[in-house]
Amino acid sequence: GESVGLHLPTLSVQEGDNSIINCAYSNSASDYFIWYKQESGKGPQFIIDIRSNMDKRQGQRVTVLLNKTVKHLSLQIAATQPGDSAVYFCAENIAGGSYIPTFGRGTSLIVHP
Amino acid sequence: DADVTQTPRNRITKTGKRIMLECSQTKGHDRMYWYRQDPGLGLRLIYYSFDVKDINKGEISDGYSVSRQAQAKFSLSLESAIPNQTALYFCATSDLGDTIYFGEGSWLTVV
Repeated sequence: GESVGLHLPTLSVQEGDNSIINCAYSNSASDYFIWYKQESGKGPQFIIDIRSNMDKRQGQRVTVLLNKTVKHLSLQIAATQPGDSAVYFCAENIAGGSYIPTFGRGTSLIVHP
Repeated sequence: DADVTQTPRNRITKTGKRIMLECSQTKGHDRMYWYRQDPGLGLRLIYYSFDVKDINKGEISDGYSVSRQAQAKFSLSLESAIPNQTALYFCATSDLGDTIYFGEGSWLTVV
């Protein structure tokens, strides 16, 4: 979840471990969710998305889980690699409307060789 | 070529100067956004535009202005820059309720 203060929540893992990054969203009407990866000094890049009619979606080494009951989203990264070190953001959106996507503060993932 | 291009990528300016950050996108999207990111913090929305004739303030619009010159172009101006506007600025674009695509960012330092 989110934390108060200037420091991002941090997750440290060993190379080869699985990583789980969590995100709590706020709007129960949100129906489209996106995970972004932001490497140092770069813009956020799309990783994977999920619509509210699903509770799980898999990509290459990544899986997103959606629990609408508790408004919770998670990103699972399998066999984490040093190149996965970055800040990960979740975003919530409402398809087809004038809603502005809302971003979480992010979680810093540090992968140790 | 990048879908969203920002210029300049880096700029150092003096307090009180006017500076413009430019953004262009090749996605053909109607929606464009300007965000600010400070170290350790998330993205904060400055302004957004749903089409060429539409401009809306975000959560931190004070001290900023924007211009939507065309569907593909959305510029951000700091009329009189101050040091606490030192940050990383991102332009982004999206289609209706869809994925947001970001530029690479513009580092602005106000001294």
